[in-house]
Amino acid sequence: NAGVMQNPRHLVRRRGQEARLRCSPMKGHSHVYWYRQLPEEGLKFMVYLQKENIIDESGMPKERFSAEFPKEGPSILRIQQVVRGDSAAYFCASSPDRGAYEQYFGPGTRLTVT
Amino acid sequence: SQQGEEDPQALSIQEGENATMNCSYKTSINNLQWYRQNSGRGLVHLILIRSNEREKHSGRLRVTLDTSKKSSSLLITASRAADTASYFCATDSGGSYIPTFGRGTSLIVHP
Repeated sequence: NAGVMQNPRHLVRRRGQEARLRCSPMKGHSHVYWYRQLPEEGLKFMVYLQKENIIDESGMPKERFSAEFPKEGPSILRIQQVVRGDSAAYFCASSPDRGAYEQYFGPGTRLTVT
Repeated sequence: SQQGEEDPQALSIQEGENATMNCSYKTSINNLQWYRQNSGRGLVHLILIRSNEREKHSGRLRVTLDTSKKSSSLLITASRAADTASYFCATDSGGSYIPTFGRGTSLIVHP
């Protein structure tokens, strides 16, 4: 049973470019969460999605960031016009249902903006 | 703002010793979880303890919860070099099922 998969594992973008991060949840999981982690910090919640719906985006910056979880395919976190401050590790987690508090994490995507 | 704050920030011990990490939080919670993160990896769930529970065990791990003090502790007994990792507590409260993470305790176990 494959775990949560994220790709790419490392992504380097120049300022102003777009970054697309992908997350495939565990088989049977329809709930996806995105987190951002800065060095020496804990995880900061960004957005929670269910298939085709954004449930909670209270942690998402208002501009340049968007997320989707289409009916088919992985969840995508998109960052437009990246800036140096976007450099961080982005983690995706999944759970089988809304009431399941335990989340299964992917290995993360490390974004570096040069 | 962080809900859970781990203490100490860093802990260095010898293999075989016990490691204790603490987590304090500010508001009433529904659940508290502990996660481990190895360097460069995602988080791995260790234990979930509910607000009406006081202690839980899993293998060499023991978690306690004191809701009157708004604190929890994670004890790793007979530590091994492979336990070297960062440990995070995460709490959820109210109607939110989304955990809020602390900054973590960095544990180094020397062989």
